[in-house]
Amino acid sequence: GAGVSQSPRYKVAKRGQDVALRCDPISGHVSLFWYQQALGQGPEFLTYFQNEAQLDKSGLPSDRFFAERPEGSVSTLKIQRTQQEDSAVYLCASSPTSGGLWETQYFGPGTRLLVL
Amino acid sequence: GENVEQHPSTLSVQEGDSAVIKCTYSDSASNYFPWYKQELGKRPQLIIDIRSNVGEKKDQRIAVTLNKTAKHFSLHITETQPEDSAVYFCAAPIGGGFKTIFGAGTRLFVKA
Repeated sequence: GAGVSQSPRYKVAKRGQDVALRCDPISGHVSLFWYQQALGQGPEFLTYFQNEAQLDKSGLPSDRFFAERPEGSVSTLKIQRTQQEDSAVYLCASSPTSGGLWETQYFGPGTRLLVL
Repeated sequence: GENVEQHPSTLSVQEGDSAVIKCTYSDSASNYFPWYKQELGKRPQLIIDIRSNVGEKKDQRIAVTLNKTAKHFSLHITETQPEDSAVYFCAAPIGGGFKTIFGAGTRLFVKA
């Protein structure tokens, strides 16, 4: 079946611009995670959804970052007033059940964001 | 603070040799430990995982060992091949919430 997909794959934004990154998880997956991966680093947790509920947003770096999953499937990560330090790959991952931490997370290909 | 430390950051081996990557974690409540392989420009993919009720798990050339007392786990790759060259990440759930912490990664080079 189809895996996790993300769009756009690449995004170039001017500093101060707002961006929206989309994640389509595997159909039926309950858990959805967003990560930020800087060049040469491991993924860093941003936020977690269980269906439509955002249960953990402790990793969001500032109030410029906002995520939603209104119908419990597709999720959008929005970054307002982008800064150069926001440049990174944004990864989405999903897992089948609400035990998301204790089971395989399936990653999407990521969106590479470059803020100029 | 809560963290996962991974060593070494870079590892170079000859084809056919073994490679070992080690991780330590801080949260004694963690009980699931996956390893991911990430090739350049691609998504992380799970290669093996282990739960805290076992000490070792093997899948063909790949094995993971876990020492809960010492809070460390290791990835072992035997008979390495050039296609094993990639960045490997360990991870552990941390803090009783919903956060998974990843190690900083190990860049493995397998020389033919």
